Amino acid sequence: RKEVEQDPGPFNVPEGATVAFNCTYSNSASQSFFWYRQDCRKEPKLLMSVYSSGNEDGRFTAQLNRASQYISLLIRDSKLSDSATYLCVVNLGSGTGNQFYFGTGTSLTVIP
Amino acid sequence: EAGVAQSPRYKIIEKRQSVAFWCNPISGHATLYWYQQILGQGPKLLIQFQNNGVVDDSQLPKDRFSAERLKGVDSTLKIQPAKLEDSAVYLCASSFITEQFFGPGTRLTVL
Repeated sequence: RKEVEQDPGPFNVPEGATVAFNCTYSNSASQSFFWYRQDCRKEPKLLMSVYSSGNEDGRFTAQLNRASQYISLLIRDSKLSDSATYLCVVNLGSGTGNQFYFGTGTSLTVIP
Repeated sequence: EAGVAQSPRYKIIEKRQSVAFWCNPISGHATLYWYQQILGQGPKLLIQFQNNGVVDDSQLPKDRFSAERLKGVDSTLKIQPAKLEDSAVYLCASSFITEQFFGPGTRLTVL
């Protein structure tokens, strides 16, 4: 069983739409959670960390449900520049013992 | 602040040949990671260093892959001999605490 599972999509949405991505993880001992963004032929970059209380950064909202082992990312008012692959990342360790597992990524295309 | 540097950016080799990749992490980052990303998949950890010691190499195909970080700074990843299925992007990342910073990657094509 994979450590992290994501719906690969693709998601094709019009500008201004709201879109949500989901991710599940298998290890209940996972310590920390992240969403990374990866543009075509580029390296992944941290979009936001995910906290138990949920967190928001502008148009982006991340939620964590430890009981269901589920992470989500909500993008409101989608922009053309949001087109990318969104990677769900789970860390089983902490500090020097970090163990990062990446999902396969969810592809988003925002259409004019 | 300088980011993670990797070279070469692209490499094309024939199967059974050898290849080496180089990574220079962000200054002060003790943890260095090598990932393999096959098209359409997420990055898969190959090896993780803490300073010059190996923390995790459980997914490194040790019959053909090797990596070192002798002075706890730069690192090299080697494949010898390469197979067709090694065609992928090899990403190096470094971290201070938990946020990973990735280099631009080396795109390897094995013919």
